[in-house]
Amino acid sequence: GIQVEQSPPDLILQEGANSTLRCNFSDSVNNLQWFHQNPWGQLINLFYIPSGTKQNGRLSATTVATERYSLLYISSSQTTDSGVYFCAVVPREGSGTYKYIFGTGTRLKVLA
Amino acid sequence: EAGVAQSPRYKIIEKRQSVAFWCNPISGHATLYWYQQILGQGPKLLIQFQNNGVVDDSQLPKDRFSAERLKGVDSTLKIQPAKLEDSAVYLCASSFSGGRGSYNEQFFGPGTRLTVL
Repeated sequence: GIQVEQSPPDLILQEGANSTLRCNFSDSVNNLQWFHQNPWGQLINLFYIPSGTKQNGRLSATTVATERYSLLYISSSQTTDSGVYFCAVVPREGSGTYKYIFGTGTRLKVLA
Repeated sequence: EAGVAQSPRYKIIEKRQSVAFWCNPISGHATLYWYQQILGQGPKLLIQFQNNGVVDDSQLPKDRFSAERLKGVDSTLKIQPAKLEDSAVYLCASSFSGGRGSYNEQFFGPGTRLTVL
């Protein structure tokens, strides 16, 4: 099955710093989402981005589907950005159930 | 617009007991998902419903887990009997539809944290 690898696995930043999180996937995908899981466990949608670039405030994301990767950029990080970031993909080749496969996650800690 | 609702938020039980979780999806969302998230890992899909029919339950341990979505709206996930390794967060998600494209964008509830002693 498809492999979804995220890097780095752990990241510690000083407040105000910028960062780039990466999601590599081993096969073609139909859908791709980025989520932020806050310290209370809630999964929050950041982007639905199977291709192209999107921006929402301090966050932006780019997916290059032909090269099988997606990037999440966080600018001017804040302590509230702490948590785990997941990408999740729906493989293009599958049983037709279009189920999401989650990546390994990047654990981010932003220090005040 | 109200989000995905789940209850209870926390549950502690003894092994071999039974437990049930409830989920109410976003209004109008036809597809409902139950995930299990073990500490330190990403969510793993247990079962996917399209309206009141099961689309995928390939990773559901059917000897002890069951789920239903009788009227195509809210859903219940049950574990009977529970094992120590079932300690996890159980997440419910919904999407407008389960196909390709943005209609499959998933929205998650707050989750139920289960501890089995």
